[in-house]
Amino acid sequence: NAGVTQTPKFRVLKTGQSMTLLCAQDMNHEYMYWYRQDPGMGLRLIHYSVGEGTTAKGEVPDGYNVSRLKKQNFLLGLESAAPSQTSVYFCASSPLEGGGSYEQYFGPGTRLTVT
Amino acid sequence: AQRVTQPEKLLSVFKGAPVELKCNYSYSGSPELFWYVQYSRQRLQLLLRHISRESIKGFTADLNKGETSFHLKKPFAQEEDSAMYYCALLKSADGLTFGKGTHLIIQP
Repeated sequence: NAGVTQTPKFRVLKTGQSMTLLCAQDMNHEYMYWYRQDPGMGLRLIHYSVGEGTTAKGEVPDGYNVSRLKKQNFLLGLESAAPSQTSVYFCASSPLEGGGSYEQYFGPGTRLTVT
Repeated sequence: AQRVTQPEKLLSVFKGAPVELKCNYSYSGSPELFWYVQYSRQRLQLLLRHISRESIKGFTADLNKGETSFHLKKPFAQEEDSAMYYCALLKSADGLTFGKGTHLIIQP
């Protein structure tokens, strides 16, 4: 099992460009999450999904959109990138049992720089 | 709103010394608390869940509802414990609320 994978690993964007980050998990987990990690800020939840076809906003959703068309994939989109979105993005997944209170499995991260 | 506070950005201790990483939380409901660890160039991984009441790699953490704390402790630090440690609180399935993290450095 690959666990949670993220594509791409690195990306540099110019202000105003758009891109999509892909998260895939092969553990048949219901819950999936997108976080961003910034120095001195820890990890903050952007959006999450409690099942295929559902999404919800987290703590810092502005400037991002998400889609969960397939259970195994969770896409994070930036429609018009801004320098404030320079960050490391982590995807995570968690099984249904326990209402999401079981371990979250994290991907390796995507380092995004917006110039 | 829930909040997790880790007061120390950096904690440096000598090998063999006791370690305590502090975590305080604010949450009106019944909290589920976790410690996650990120070793250098590795992905974030679960270290402890408070409801498991287990010891992992010699680390333990006790939930103190009176003090709203969930400090992580280890009696004898090892060099391989050097890492970033994050305390996190879960509210249902809505994702984790993380503290800002403590960088633990174990000196030889």
